[in-house]
Amino acid sequence: SAVISQKPSRDICQRGTSLTIQCQVDSQVTMMFWYRQQPGQSLTLIATANQGSEATYESGFVIDKFPISRPNLTFSTLTVSNMSPEDSSIYLCSGGDSAFSEQYFGPGTRLTVT
Amino acid sequence: QKEVEQNSGPLSVPEGAIASLNCTYSDRGSQSFFWYRQYSGKSPELIMFIYSNGDKEDGRFTAQLNKASQYVSLLIRDSQPSDSATYLCAVRGSARQLTFGSGTQLTVLP
Repeated sequence: SAVISQKPSRDICQRGTSLTIQCQVDSQVTMMFWYRQQPGQSLTLIATANQGSEATYESGFVIDKFPISRPNLTFSTLTVSNMSPEDSSIYLCSGGDSAFSEQYFGPGTRLTVT
Repeated sequence: QKEVEQNSGPLSVPEGAIASLNCTYSDRGSQSFFWYRQYSGKSPELIMFIYSNGDKEDGRFTAQLNKASQYVSLLIRDSQPSDSATYLCAVRGSARQLTFGSGTQLTVLP
């Protein structure tokens, strides 16, 4: 199984600032994804991080707000830009290999925007 | 209609009983199916993963998949208080992303 780490584990940020979250996988994975989980809710997919090309965003999420990088098969970053209190959430990185393989999650980054 | 629906719960079972969690999905092109366990304040932990019709067993856990009925379930035998958590059903579509249900909160009573 893949082991996924995220940094930072939590942060408190001021409105209008940006935060970049890093995701590192201990092995190469074909697919990496970023999810958001708001308090008491299930997980919502933000985007698929594509290696060497622009991320694929889900409805309601845009590149200007959530720019994503994926320079190689083990690393990705998600930036939450121009933050507002509504961005307070847990952000989760996930990785997997193929349509018929397991998918694992990192420990999450708990973001609070004041 | 939600893409992935779970019995909303909360579900309570006595220690030692069988807990049954259910999930239906709308996309017939879905390729694989996941059950995650999530403790409060933690990230989802993969319990079971299935992509062929039938049953898949791992210790006290059994996942059942019926693609014709678009139904996947998770049985937990000999439930323990440590099984108390939220269980998330997730379905992988043709674009490889997972879509999650809203989760079922399970409490196992000592």
